[in-house]
Amino acid sequence: AIRMTQSPSSFSASTGDRVTITCRASQGISSYLAWYQQKPGKAPKLLIYAASTLQSGVPSRFSGSGSGTDFTLTISCLQSEDFATYYCQQYYSYPPVFGPGTKVDIK
Amino acid sequence: QVQLQESGPGLVKPSQTLSLTCTVSGGSISSGDYYWSWIRQPPGKGLEWIGYIYYSGSTYYNPSLKSRVTISVDTSKNQFSLKLSSVTAADTAVYYCARDNLGYCSSTSCLPGEFDPWGQGTLVTVSS
Repeated sequence: AIRMTQSPSSFSASTGDRVTITCRASQGISSYLAWYQQKPGKAPKLLIYAASTLQSGVPSRFSGSGSGTDFTLTISCLQSEDFATYYCQQYYSYPPVFGPGTKVDIK
Repeated sequence: QVQLQESGPGLVKPSQTLSLTCTVSGGSISSGDYYWSWIRQPPGKGLEWIGYIYYSGSTYYNPSLKSRVTISVDTSKNQFSLKLSSVTAADTAVYYCARDNLGYCSSTSCLPGEFDPWGQGTLVTVSS
């Protein structure tokens, strides 16, 4: 199975910051990558699919980039509601695998 | 808009079978445009895909759980279900059902894609 890693595992940031989260696949996955946001006690919410396509209804401050093995999720101007854990997920091959998550908390 | 809701016992004894149902509303499970998946998350840990079912009944399971998992569908009730046998404490988790957008498709089949939307999740604890 393809392995997914994320960095950092957690970090603190302030409202208004530009933040970037990195996701790396153990082998090339083209652009078959999704990003999710999860808040405590809630189900994950799809933010981005196909590496860079914004899901309907997701604010434009979220963006994704990358292909092959290296991907990034960027939040251009962090808002209070963005403090959460973010997961990447590959769907290039079976089984779909999620990254371990990156927790963004308030500085 | 499509909504999913998990239901089932919140406590299962070790060695028994965990059984959950996901009810889909606002859309038909028989549309043919999606897979329907189960995903779990142990407390404080990450997400693990369990498997999917297509409305026709075809399934695909995570190899790590394949020997213990059965997913079935009831199109008349717009529901799909999960059974996980021989559970241990390691199976304690929040179990989510999710609609699975089809990913890459060849001439014969499609890979699973991204998951959206998700049910709210249900915590299943394995304990005697």
